[in-house]
Amino acid sequence: EIVMTQSPDTLSVSPGERATLSCRASQRVNSALAWYQQKPGLAPRLLIYTASTRARGVPARFSGSGSGTEFTLTISSLQSEDFAVYYCQQLHEWPWTFGQGTKVEIK
Amino acid sequence: QLVESGGGLVQPGGSLRLSCAASGFVVGDSYMYWVRQAPGKGLECVSVLDRNDIIRYADSARDRFIISRDDSKNTVYLQMNGLRVDDTAVYFCARGAGPPPGEWGQGTPVIVSS
Repeated sequence: EIVMTQSPDTLSVSPGERATLSCRASQRVNSALAWYQQKPGLAPRLLIYTASTRARGVPARFSGSGSGTEFTLTISSLQSEDFAVYYCQQLHEWPWTFGQGTKVEIK
Repeated sequence: QLVESGGGLVQPGGSLRLSCAASGFVVGDSYMYWVRQAPGKGLECVSVLDRNDIIRYADSARDRFIISRDDSKNTVYLQMNGLRVDDTAVYFCARGAGPPPGEWGQGTPVIVSS
């Protein structure tokens, strides 16, 4: 199975700052990559699909990039509601595996 | 909207059937997912039933879990047999027009313990 590795495990950021999260696939997944946000006690929320397309209702401060094996989620200016855990998921080959998550915390 | 039910406490080796009642869309026209999250851990896609009736299972679920759909009730099920301690998790139902899932339920907890 394709292994997804996210970095860093924890990212400490001040409100208003930019956050850059990385996701690496153990083999090429083309652009079949999604990003989710999860807050404690809640279900994940889809943010990005096909590596760079924002899901409906997702603010423009969230952007995704990359293809092949290297992907990035950027939050241009962190808002208080953005502090959460973020997961990437490849949808190129079953099983559609997730990364271990990056926790974005308040600095 | 997706509403899961059926979770609970079960002994190792036991069975549970999770239900996911859908409203506002037709489950038969969607990809329907079961995704689980063990306590304090990440996400695992357990099973998918797509609109062409193609079914996929994670290796951890194959031969023990069965995903199905009742179009008359607009509901998806996950029958879980031979439950193990490491099946303990919150189980989320989710759906999408394809992959990935864009709408999720609130989750139902499954605890496997003696």
